[in-house]
Parts: sequence; C-alpha cells; structure tokens
Amino acid sequence: KQEVTQIPAALSVPEGENLVLNCSFTDSAIYNLQWFRQDPGKGLTSLLLIQSSQREQTSGRLNASLDKSSGRSTLYIAASQPGDSATYLCAVLGGGSRLTFGEGTQLTVNP
Amino acid sequence: DAGITQSPRHKVTETGTPVTLRCHQTENHRYMYWYRQDPGHGLRLIHYSYGVKDTDKGEVSDGYSVSRSKTEDFLLTLESATSSQTSVYFCAIGGGAGTEAFFGQGTRLTVV
Repeated sequence: KQEVTQIPAALSVPEGENLVLNCSFTDSAIYNLQWFRQDPGKGLTSLLLIQSSQREQTSGRLNASLDKSSGRSTLYIAASQPGDSATYLCAVLGGGSRLTFGEGTQLTVNP
Repeated sequence: DAGITQSPRHKVTETGTPVTLRCHQTENHRYMYWYRQDPGHGLRLIHYSYGVKDTDKGEVSDGYSVSRSKTEDFLLTLESATSSQTSVYFCAIGGGAGTEAFFGQGTRLTVV
C-alpha cells in the first residue's frame, strides 16, 4: 500500500523567504507526482505535475523536483508572499491509477 | 477551472437516510475519483472509476457505493448515512498516467 508523508506539517515564514516543502512516498512504482494548493474551505488547485521520467518542473516561483528511486519530492517556493499562505498537498499516481495523498503542509507567510 | 461540477455543494441529512452526491465533468476524462477529507486524515480515496461501468474500491469504501453509467457522471451514494460520514467530499477527474488530476469544489455533508 502506497503511503505519502509530508514534512513539516506546518510552517510559518516571513515574507520574502525561500522555502522547501518535502514529500516522501513508499512505493517508487509511480506514474507521476502532482503538487496541489488548497485554500481554506476551497477545492484543490493543481500547481505542478512531474512525470515519473522527469527530474523537475517549474512554474513561476515554484519548482518541484522528483527523485523516484529514493521516493522523494520537494516543492521550492521562491520569494514567498502572503498570498502563498495555504495548505500544500502532494499526490502520487500509482498502480491501478490510484491517486494517493499526503496530509499536507500548512504554510503561513507573514507580512 | 477544469469542467468539473459537484452537486449539491452543501447538504444536511438525518442518520439512516440514503444520500447521493453527483460529480459531472465536461472534459471526457477516463478516470473519476471520490475522496473524503477530514481533519487529521487528509484526503482518503473512497471509490474510483476507470471507465463507464468500471469502478473499484478505495481505502474507505465501507458504507458507500458508486455508479458510472456515462462518461460525464460519477455518483456517490451513502446507503444509510451515519454521523461518521460527516465530511467534505471531493470529486476528481484525470486522464490516467501522465495527465493532471483536477478537483471539484467539494460537497460539505453533515449527518445529524
């Protein structure tokens, strides 16, 4: 059974800081890994998708990396802003096309 | 937003009553998923579908059933609602390996 862990569970940083969110998974037989953002009371918004054959993906101030063999992914956020405050979730697509989620990292960026 | 709509958005129901939640997509994606989200548990997969009339159980399927009679619609039924099924339910769609998954806005269900 695939298990996904996100560390830390919560993070509070001052505005402008660069930060890294971590995601690890137990079964490396994945098709892809996806990072999402969730604002309170809202649905999930897709941020980045990394295919199993890729090492990283970038979108604006976000950069996600994937090391499939070690079961790890990181989401790097550059020059954080208060508007980045949200919960960040990673999910892996594995066997049977099941999408398995971590519990998320709750990020607060203080002005 | 991806073309995915959940209905209703909010529902209060009584213990023991059946409840059906609907997920409708306009993207023609093959895969559709139902999750529940609870504090301390994150998102947990209830059931998913990999095509019309093709469904499989997730990790928390007890007390739930699903149906998919056409590509666009994936229904989640709580056969006899219990208070432990009070949760926020999310539907997701995806094309399978190599494609992004997209989520609906969620349905907040309260069982009293």
